[in-house]
Amino acid sequence: EDKVVQSPLSLVVHEGDTVTLNCSYEVTNFRSLLWYKQEKKAPTFLFMLTSSGIEKKSGRLSSILDKKELFSILNITATQTGDSAVYLCAAMNSGNTPLVFGKGTRLSVIA
Amino acid sequence: GAVVSQHPSWVICKSGTSVKIECRSLDFQATTMFWYRQFPKQSLMLMATSNEGSKATYEQGVEKDKFLINHASLTLSTLTVTSAHPEDSSFYICSARGRLGNTEAFFGQGTRLTVV
Repeated sequence: EDKVVQSPLSLVVHEGDTVTLNCSYEVTNFRSLLWYKQEKKAPTFLFMLTSSGIEKKSGRLSSILDKKELFSILNITATQTGDSAVYLCAAMNSGNTPLVFGKGTRLSVIA
Repeated sequence: GAVVSQHPSWVICKSGTSVKIECRSLDFQATTMFWYRQFPKQSLMLMATSNEGSKATYEQGVEKDKFLINHASLTLSTLTVTSAHPEDSSFYICSARGRLGNTEAFFGQGTRLTVV
């Protein structure tokens, strides 16, 4: 059965800290790994990673995929209170089947 | 990036009535749309997958007669919650994927349904 496991499930940090969120996956015919940020509404897309070892960056957020070890990390540097959210990781396979989601990591950034 | 528009963003209805939620892809052809439901502080739960022009595939435990899904065109899918009850109150989210299946799945804004 396909599965995606995220860790930690929740995390509390102070503003300015750097955090690393983890995502491991076991998915048949894996194609890509996606990261989303969910605040009060629907998830917003952050990154899609298809190739191993190539870091993607967007401001203070970055992510990388390791297809050999079947995991990805999402880094957030110099965290701000606005980074508080649930971060979801999802695996996409090569067919047109639903994404397989992890349970998410709830990040709380306190001032 | 591609835009998926979901409407309404929130709705309150009385028990026993039906509610229709629309999900539109605004700048791409969505051959596949996915409907999720999310309870507070829980992850997304896939309800059904719909491919344009064919019947939706429902996940185990989801009543297809209660949650009617129509995907009549490449840009529109609808979810109708029939004879709604308070336990159907939840956050419903759609996502859409393009023709080749290798694009990101984009999410609509979500619909918060409250049944009173």
